[in-house]
Amino acid sequence: DIQMTQSPSSLSASVGDRVTITCQASQDISNYLNWYQQKPGKAPKLLIYDASNLETGVPSRFSGSGSGTDFTFTISSLQPEDIATYYCQQYDNLQTFGQGTKVEIK
Amino acid sequence: EVQLVESGGGLVQPGGSLRLSCAASGFTFSSYWMSWVRQAPGKGLEWVANIKQDGSEKYYVDSVKGRFTISRDNAKNSLYLQMNSLRAEDTAVYYCAKNFGVVISGMDVWGQGTTVTVSS
Repeated sequence: DIQMTQSPSSLSASVGDRVTITCQASQDISNYLNWYQQKPGKAPKLLIYDASNLETGVPSRFSGSGSGTDFTFTISSLQPEDIATYYCQQYDNLQTFGQGTKVEIK
Repeated sequence: EVQLVESGGGLVQPGGSLRLSCAASGFTFSSYWMSWVRQAPGKGLEWVANIKQDGSEKYYVDSVKGRFTISRDNAKNSLYLQMNSLRAEDTAVYYCAKNFGVVISGMDVWGQGTTVTVSS
């Protein structure tokens, strides 16, 4: 089974800050990596697919990079509406989610 | 409008059974892999099961193998999850989700979720 390790588990940043979340796979998953946003009480929303592709309609302040085992998710300028938990997910071998990163406003 | 609507959740005793349903609309249901994902209270997302377009391939997370069965009816645009021998640790919100590719990929459409509570 492929394990996904996300860090940090939570972070607090100011509006306008650059926010970075990392996700490490337990083995090479090429670029089979997606990022989701989940707001409290809501279903997850796909933001980034195939490691670096922005889903239609998602603001350009969100971006993703990486391949192999190490991946990065970035919010270039944190906005109040970005308060949520973010998850990475691999699909190289079935599907596995990271444990999530809760983003809060400082 | 592309939409997934789950139903069938509720309170069930340990050892009991429950069948979840997911009604799809707004897209060609028979063209996509479909998934169930769950989220225990206060916890993260956990993939539960996948089913291929024609139902010929099914995959499960180890913790539900032998207890849960995923199925679909393409004529009714519906996805199902039969859950037997339920345990307290199966308590969660269960989401159905559409994979965005024609192979197992990521999930681009999600339902609102249905809550399953396993308790005596």
